[in-house]
Amino acid sequence: AQTVTQSQPEMSVQEAETVTLSCTYDTSESDYYLFWYKQPPSRQMILVIRQEAYKQQNATENRFSVNFQKAAKSFSLKISDSQLGDAAMYFCAYRPLYGGATNKLIFGTGTLLAVQP
Amino acid sequence: EAQVTQNPRYLITVTGKKLTVTCSQNMNHEYMSWYRQDPGLGLRQIYYSMNVEVTDKGDVPEGYKVSRKEKRNFPLILESPSPNQTSLYFCASSFSGAQNGYTFGSGTRLTVV
Repeated sequence: AQTVTQSQPEMSVQEAETVTLSCTYDTSESDYYLFWYKQPPSRQMILVIRQEAYKQQNATENRFSVNFQKAAKSFSLKISDSQLGDAAMYFCAYRPLYGGATNKLIFGTGTLLAVQP
Repeated sequence: EAQVTQNPRYLITVTGKKLTVTCSQNMNHEYMSWYRQDPGLGLRQIYYSMNVEVTDKGDVPEGYKVSRKEKRNFPLILESPSPNQTSLYFCASSFSGAQNGYTFGSGTRLTVV
């Protein structure tokens, strides 16, 4: 069974600094997608960034970038120039390309990020 | 505006009293799903639907029912709620295909006393 592990329940970063959130996953598939979602206190789930497993180039969206290591099954999120609005719960998620009937997103347990002024 | 509309946002109910959480999307998505979010457990899938009249169990389906009579609507039914169903619930939708992330509703905080 595919699983997603986020080993850091909580992290803290100073405003304007850089922080990296870790995520590892387990799968026997070779093609899949990985996602990071942000959940601020409003509890809305917001897609931050997406990575296609067959693309070696790491995805980037403004201050958010990923370090995708396919062989290590690692998918970390780097937030540069952290802002107070980045404070949120962050979820890593995996979606198989050939999910059969399920085609579901599988989530990690989340990392709660605090941003200190 | 493209969105998933989920209601109610908050709900407190008593054990055994049937309730329905509604979910509607306006993006013509084929795939819809319900998740529950619990501290330390992340989001776990309850039920999903690949299209109209096609539904199936997720990882934690016990105590829940769903239906998909129209493409846009996917209600979650708790016929006899119990306190262990106290949770934060999310409806989500997407086009079929793994490259698509989900669009989420705003969540329903359910408390069963």
